Amino acid sequence: DQQVKQNSPSLSVQEGRISILNCDYTNSMFDYFLWYKKYPAEGPTFLISISSIKDKNEDGRFTVFLNKSAKHLSLHIVPSQPGDSAVYFCAATSGTYKYIFGTGTRLKVLA
Amino acid sequence: EPEVTQTPSHQVTQMGQEVILRCVPISNHLYFYWYRQILGQKVEFLVSFYNNEISEKSEIFDDQFSVERPDGSNFTLKIRSTKLEDSAMYFCASALAENTGELFFGEGSRLTVL
Repeated sequence: DQQVKQNSPSLSVQEGRISILNCDYTNSMFDYFLWYKKYPAEGPTFLISISSIKDKNEDGRFTVFLNKSAKHLSLHIVPSQPGDSAVYFCAATSGTYKYIFGTGTRLKVLA
Repeated sequence: EPEVTQTPSHQVTQMGQEVILRCVPISNHLYFYWYRQILGQKVEFLVSFYNNEISEKSEIFDDQFSVERPDGSNFTLKIRSTKLEDSAMYFCASALAENTGELFFGEGSRLTVL
């Protein structure tokens, strides 16, 4: 039962360009969404979040967009930097810390 | 910067053995969690713990699993009789309060069951 899906297992982007990572969910009870970044041999690190009452949240180079009607969210990174190369997990919750994670998208930013 | 620390970083054990994974959450945090990630798969919720009791657990968290906060700082995950399919990276996480958005994860403990 994949309630949170990241359909692109990997993505390569040139340094300086925009990276767009996508995430779809099926559970309409989710009301809070997060993106975590994970480097090898490290735990996930919180990146940015968005509440279901918003459709956009921005933090520096990172912007998350939420389209509730499509049950879709995306993370935009602009400009992309080589240090952004990591696995990005989308997560969703309906009010607790029982986060449902997606399977991750491995982003590689090419110098 | 405060962080969640986990030990051991890697443990290899024989099938059927008991394993205890240890975590020291961030000191003023009140909510504690275990997640796991089987190699190549998604991060999965196991259990949440608050006020010295389990508040929620997943179907993965069966009778072979238990959690404990034996003192004011440690939070442990015990697997009573390990199975091959328990091989995974186990992440401890903590939060200051519920519904405030951010879980802080440790670096993980890799468990290999032979």
